[in-house]
Amino acid sequence: AQKITQTQPGMFVQEKEAVTLDCTYDTSDPSYGLFWYKQPSSGEMIFLIYQGSYDQQNATEGRYSLNFQKARKSANLVISASQLGDSAMYFCAMREFGNEKLTFGTGTRLTIIP
Amino acid sequence: NAGVTQTPKFRVLKTGQSMTLLCAQDMNHEYMYWYRQDPGMGLRLIHYSVGEGTTAKGEVPDGYNVSRLKKQNFLLGLESAAPSQTSVYFCASSRWTGESSYEQYFGPGTRLTVT
Repeated sequence: AQKITQTQPGMFVQEKEAVTLDCTYDTSDPSYGLFWYKQPSSGEMIFLIYQGSYDQQNATEGRYSLNFQKARKSANLVISASQLGDSAMYFCAMREFGNEKLTFGTGTRLTIIP
Repeated sequence: NAGVTQTPKFRVLKTGQSMTLLCAQDMNHEYMYWYRQDPGMGLRLIHYSVGEGTTAKGEVPDGYNVSRLKKQNFLLGLESAAPSQTSVYFCASSRWTGESSYEQYFGPGTRLTVT
């Protein structure tokens, strides 16, 4: 069964610093995808970045990058040069290919301090 | 292009009442989903649909029913609401997934309170 663990309930980071949000996962399927979503206080879910289990390189999208360590089953989100607008809940999620279920972690609340 | 929309945004029900949440998407996506989000927990899948006329159970389907009569719409029904169904409900849609990376696009959510 697929499972996502986010061990940081909350984080405080100084503006302009980089931040790493942890995510570990568990699956026995060799084919899967990992996703990160941002949920600001307004409530909507915003897709940030994707990493496939067979991708050779770590995914990057602007200031977001995914530190994918397959052997350790971790998929940490790195946000460079944090901004006040980055304050939000961040969810890691996984989908085993062939399975329509997207499993979410419990989230990390990130607060950027000016 | 509105993306994924949900109706209503807020609703208060009394125990035992029924209601239907409407989700609509204009991206011609095949797949649609209903999730619930509770405090301290991530989103949990209630039901999903892989195409018009088809539905399937997710992780927490009890107490809910769904219908997908049109490709662009996905309805979530509560026949007899219970306080345990107080939650924020999100609808999402995506292209055919298969062995690919297509992300799910989410609606703005519906906040439901059952008293």
